[in-house]
Amino acid sequence: AIQMTQSPSSLSASLGDRVTITCRASQDVGSDLGWYQQKPGKAPQLLIYDASTLQSGVPSRFSGSGSGTDFTLTISSLQPEDFATYFCLQDYSYPSLFGQGTKLEIK
Amino acid sequence: EVQLLESGGSLVQPGGSLRLSCAASGFIFSSYAMSWVRQAPGKGLEWVSTISVSGRNTYYTDSVKGRFTISRDSSRNTLYLQMNSLRAEDTAVYYCAKVISASTTSPPFDYWGQGTLVTVSS
Repeated sequence: AIQMTQSPSSLSASLGDRVTITCRASQDVGSDLGWYQQKPGKAPQLLIYDASTLQSGVPSRFSGSGSGTDFTLTISSLQPEDFATYFCLQDYSYPSLFGQGTKLEIK
Repeated sequence: EVQLLESGGSLVQPGGSLRLSCAASGFIFSSYAMSWVRQAPGKGLEWVSTISVSGRNTYYTDSVKGRFTISRDSSRNTLYLQMNSLRAEDTAVYYCAKVISASTTSPPFDYWGQGTLVTVSS
């Protein structure tokens, strides 16, 4: 199985900050990676797919980049509603494994 | 509007069985692969299983192989997860999720249900 290593596991930041979250795959997954946001008690929501394609309705302050084994999710200017937990997921092959998650908290 | 509504979660004893259902609406259910994803209390997300459009192809995470069975009934627009030989470590919120593209059985998942809680405990 392709393992996904996500970092950091937690992150404190302030409103307006630019933040970056990283996901590393244990082998080449091409561009087959997505990013999800989850708020407490809610289902996850798709933010980015195919490594860099913004899902419909997602604000443009979210962006994704990378290919192969190294990927990043960037939030250009943190808004109050962005404080949540973020997960990556490779869809290159089954079993699909999520990263461990990054909890983004207010500093 | 796409809606996915899970049901069937409850408290069950170790070794017991449970069947989860996910009622879909707002899209052509028969055209999309569907999946189950779970989340143990306070933990991360874990993909559990996926079923193809036809139902002929199914995929499972190793920890549930031989115990869980995913199925679908396109006449009822409903996805199922039959869970047998349940263990404490199966305790989680179970989400059903729709695959974004009609041409693949792989993620990403563009719509998710609200989840149903399965608790395995004596």
